[in-house]
Amino acid sequence: GNSVTQMEGPVTLSEEAFLTINCTYTATGYPSLFWYVQYPGEGLQLLLKATKADDKGSNKGFEATYRKETTSFHLEKGSVQVSDSAVYFCALRGTNAGKSTFGDGTTLTVKP
Amino acid sequence: GAGVSQTPSNKVTEKGKYVELRCDPISGHTALYWYRQSLGQGPEFLIYFQGTGAADDSGLPNDRFFAVRPEGSVSTLKIQRTERGDSAVYLCASSLNGGSSYNEQFFGPGTRLTVL
Repeated sequence: GNSVTQMEGPVTLSEEAFLTINCTYTATGYPSLFWYVQYPGEGLQLLLKATKADDKGSNKGFEATYRKETTSFHLEKGSVQVSDSAVYFCALRGTNAGKSTFGDGTTLTVKP
Repeated sequence: GAGVSQTPSNKVTEKGKYVELRCDPISGHTALYWYRQSLGQGPEFLIYFQGTGAADDSGLPNDRFFAVRPEGSVSTLKIQRTERGDSAVYLCASSLNGGSSYNEQFFGPGTRLTVL
């Protein structure tokens, strides 16, 4: 079946540092890939997505590129802010869409 | 407009009791999903409705769990004979339809279930 493996946290960075959160996946066919964010006390929100190989998803300064050859979808941001402190989830949906499969989440804390 | 809403936000029950969790999807969304999120883990799929019918119920852990969506809008997740291991946050999501990953899933705030 489908699975998603995320870099374990927690991750603690200083403001303006570079962020990478690793995500690899196992799936049949050609899944779509997603990053969701959960801010403290709030629900899951879609951060960005990519639906085919070599696509780059981007939003709010975050980027991730769908790499089929390495089955990866790593999240990056060049300069993090305190307001980026949250839990980040990598996820995939199969070619028939329907359900999503999530990683276990990575907690990011950004200190001023 | 209104997002996905879930009630109650918190539910505390005793082992062996029956509980119902409700989800109101975004108006016009034909697909509705239930997930369960245990502490320190990502959401785990339970069941997905397209309209009134369950298109995929492969994630329901056992026959104590059941979900309905009789009119293709509101859904209720029902858990019989609750166990302490059922304690988790139950998330509901909806999307315009379930057949394409281009249709974003919008998540509700969740219901935190605690079984004592």
